[in-house]
Amino acid sequence: QKEVEQNSGPLSVPEGAIASLNCTYSDRGSQSFFWYRQYSGKSPELIMSIYSNGDKEDGRFTAQLNKASQYVSLLIRDSQPSDSATYLCAVPPWQAGTALIFGKGTTLSVSS
Amino acid sequence: DAGVIQSPRHEVTEMGQEVTLRCKPISGHDYLFWYRQTMMRGLELLIYFNNNVPIDDSGMPEDRFSAKMPNASFSTLKIQPSEPRDSAVYFCASSLWPEANNEQFFGPGTRLTVL
Repeated sequence: QKEVEQNSGPLSVPEGAIASLNCTYSDRGSQSFFWYRQYSGKSPELIMSIYSNGDKEDGRFTAQLNKASQYVSLLIRDSQPSDSATYLCAVPPWQAGTALIFGKGTTLSVSS
Repeated sequence: DAGVIQSPRHEVTEMGQEVTLRCKPISGHDYLFWYRQTMMRGLELLIYFNNNVPIDDSGMPEDRFSAKMPNASFSTLKIQPSEPRDSAVYFCASSLWPEANNEQFFGPGTRLTVL
């Protein structure tokens, strides 16, 4: 059974701080990794994807991947109240053409 | 493009009734996914289609659930008979070939309440 694990939170940070969201996955063969953001009452939307070990930066967001440790994280710098949402980690099994497995998500609350 | 369209947005029904959820994927997308989301279980994949053909339905919880995709622009998820434990938000999503792992675009969801 392929699994994607996240701390459910809530993770609370003050405005301007760095929020760190973590995800571990069980399938060592997985090659691509995704972070989706879901506002309350809305549908998930893709915000970051990462395929290689190391860091990938996009604005205030940085995704970090360590395949040896089967660990992927999302850092949000200068957190804003508008970042308050649930962040879902998604990982596909190694077999081509198979669907994403989503973690249950971490709820982030940014206080002003 | 209007994005993924789902209907109805809200559905309240009584136990035992048939429920049909509808989805129109983004034009040109080859993959269509049906998910169910609850607080307890998170976002669960129910079934997905590639070029209108069901590829993996291992997530469909019981025979009470069925899904069809008669053409590239329309899919249905049917629950018959419905039960209170089916209450959840049901999302439809679509994505492009060649990989199902490409970005998935989600519809607004259907909030189903079974009394």
